[in-house]
Amino acid sequence: KAGVTQTPRYLIKTRGQQVTLSCSPISGHRSVSWYQQTPGQGLQFLFEYFSETQRNKGNFPGRFSGRQFSNSRSEMNVSTLELGDSALYLCASSPLRTNYGYTFGSGTRLTVV
Amino acid sequence: AQKITQTQPGMFVQEKEAVTLDCTYDTSDPSYGLFWYKQPSSGEMIFLIYQGSYDQQNATEGRYSLNFQKARKSANLVISASQLGDSAMYFCAMREGEGNTPLVFGKGTRLSVIA
Repeated sequence: KAGVTQTPRYLIKTRGQQVTLSCSPISGHRSVSWYQQTPGQGLQFLFEYFSETQRNKGNFPGRFSGRQFSNSRSEMNVSTLELGDSALYLCASSPLRTNYGYTFGSGTRLTVV
Repeated sequence: AQKITQTQPGMFVQEKEAVTLDCTYDTSDPSYGLFWYKQPSSGEMIFLIYQGSYDQQNATEGRYSLNFQKARKSANLVISASQLGDSAMYFCAMREGEGNTPLVFGKGTRLSVIA
């Protein structure tokens, strides 16, 4: 069965631009979560969507937003990019209730120059 | 306060030897889950093993076992018979409560397996 698919894999953007990242969860998984990974801060939770509704939100500025579509695919958007937004953005999906955490995608590596 | 602490930034192990990666956690919720993930250089987080707070026995998955000491709030990962392909970052994570709360990760341990 197909895993979690994130596109694009790599992205280079300029400060001030905006970017949209995409995540397709495992078929049947209705929960999608996003994490930001940087060398300094490690893995930090951004937000989680379930059935098109944001269920949890991490401590990130409003420039970071997301949404989920009816087919469970999710997008996250970062507006007015800053150099510090350079990171690996990981998406993870899970069924409604699971004891096995989340299945992660390979991530999108965003570089802001 | 940090909820997940991994005190070993880096570890080396000889091929075919066993290695223990340390993880301590902090929570006041009686219900929680502990996870270990492996992250190779490709970036994908690979689920390894899960331990629930009410589980009586230590979890095992193939060469991976979790040494769960509830009173000490520790959940160390033991990898037996290390292989070169085990070289990666390893993250301990926790989810509190019964619902779908976010995973909280530790800073990770970089494991290098030497031939």
